[in-house]
Amino acid sequence: EIVLTQSPTTTAASPGEKVTITCLASSSVSNMYWYQQKSGASPKLLIYSTSSLASGVPDRFSGSGSGTSYSLTINTMEAEDAATYYCQQWSSNPLTFGSGTKLEIK
Amino acid sequence: QVQLQQSGAELVKPGSSVKISCKASGYTFTSYDMHWIKQQPGNGLEWIGWIYPGNGNTKYNQKFNGKATLTADKSSSTAYMQLSSLTSEDSAVYFCARYGRGTGFAYWGQGTLVTVSS
Repeated sequence: EIVLTQSPTTTAASPGEKVTITCLASSSVSNMYWYQQKSGASPKLLIYSTSSLASGVPDRFSGSGSGTSYSLTINTMEAEDAATYYCQQWSSNPLTFGSGTKLEIK
Repeated sequence: QVQLQQSGAELVKPGSSVKISCKASGYTFTSYDMHWIKQQPGNGLEWIGWIYPGNGNTKYNQKFNGKATLTADKSSSTAYMQLSSLTSEDSAVYFCARYGRGTGFAYWGQGTLVTVSS
């Protein structure tokens, strides 16, 4: 099973600040997906195939990476971005998610 | 528009079974994998498995073999997940989600809370 380790576990950012969340895979994966989940809601797809922006997602979000190291970047933090973020891979079974990064607004 | 409508919250007794549903609309139900994902209170996301409604093929996370059974009814465009021999560890929110090859989980149900308690 491919384990995805996210860092940081928790972080806080001021409005306008740049935020980067990292996802390290225990083995190489071909693509990474990123989701945002707000309290009491279903996860929402942000990034697919490592760097493609999902429909309706603001372009302050971006994804990059390859092999075992991937990242999600929020260029300018906004209050509405406060949420928990998860990475996900399905390069091999079972499909796995990272443990999540909780992002708070300062 | 694509919608996944899940059944309501369940309160069930330890040792019993529960079957939750996910009714799909807005797309061809038989053309996309339907996945199920577990989220325990305050915890992360855990993949249970998928079903391809077109032919009924399934694939499970080994951890959920014997715990979860996935089925689909093409006539009503509804996917089902049955959980058996329930314990407190099965108390969680369960999501159905449509997977697109290369595009991830773009569509999710609203989640079904299952509470196992005597």
